[in-house]
Amino acid sequence: DAGITQSPRHKVTETGTPVTLRCHQTENHRYMYWYRQDPGHGLRLIHYSYGVKDTDKGEVSDGYSVSRSKTEDFLLTLESATSSQTSVYFCAISESGRQETQYFGPGTRLLVL
Amino acid sequence: GNSVTQMEGPVTLSEEAFLTINCTYTATGYPSLFWYVQYPGEGLQLLLKATKADDKGSNKGFEATYRKETTSFHLEKGSVQVSDSAVYFCALTQIQGAQKLVFGQGTRLTINP
Repeated sequence: DAGITQSPRHKVTETGTPVTLRCHQTENHRYMYWYRQDPGHGLRLIHYSYGVKDTDKGEVSDGYSVSRSKTEDFLLTLESATSSQTSVYFCAISESGRQETQYFGPGTRLLVL
Repeated sequence: GNSVTQMEGPVTLSEEAFLTINCTYTATGYPSLFWYVQYPGEGLQLLLKATKADDKGSNKGFEATYRKETTSFHLEKGSVQVSDSAVYFCALTQIQGAQKLVFGQGTRLTINP
């Protein structure tokens, strides 16, 4: 299994509070991704990173920001959580961008009340 | 834009039955196509992939053929087992640049003994 961990694994928070989710990898892969999984939508890309300090937006980036100060860590921040951000969040990594397999972390279940 | 459409679920079969999960796509250019599987409580794992037309991906008894003329990538297995119960996601990615996966909505498969 690819060495990917996510923390926390479960979180309950209130509307309007900031939340940061962490993805940590031990594979030294260049690319890292954040997805959210919602019923009826599959997984949708929020943001991705192609190197330290290099990030770009995905399909559903509004309300989210990311940072990558080290190769191994990719942080997803909800500046002011809303109920529509209740979801399961998955981090993924890949060695390169082109057609490479993405390896997924175990997920973080977030509930915004 | 790019999109993936999977057959509606859930799908329930008996052990040793034949499985087909339909997947069609809309994309510009020539995407790579993937099937990912998510077992209960886990992240996604790559099941198989195909990177060009007429390629057949296969793994663990599952197969899918990249059909450009019908823009399809249907997943098949000749004899399913209880352990195949999971959610299956069809996905595509562009051939260049960062690998932004676009997922179908997922199909939940339950195999009864």
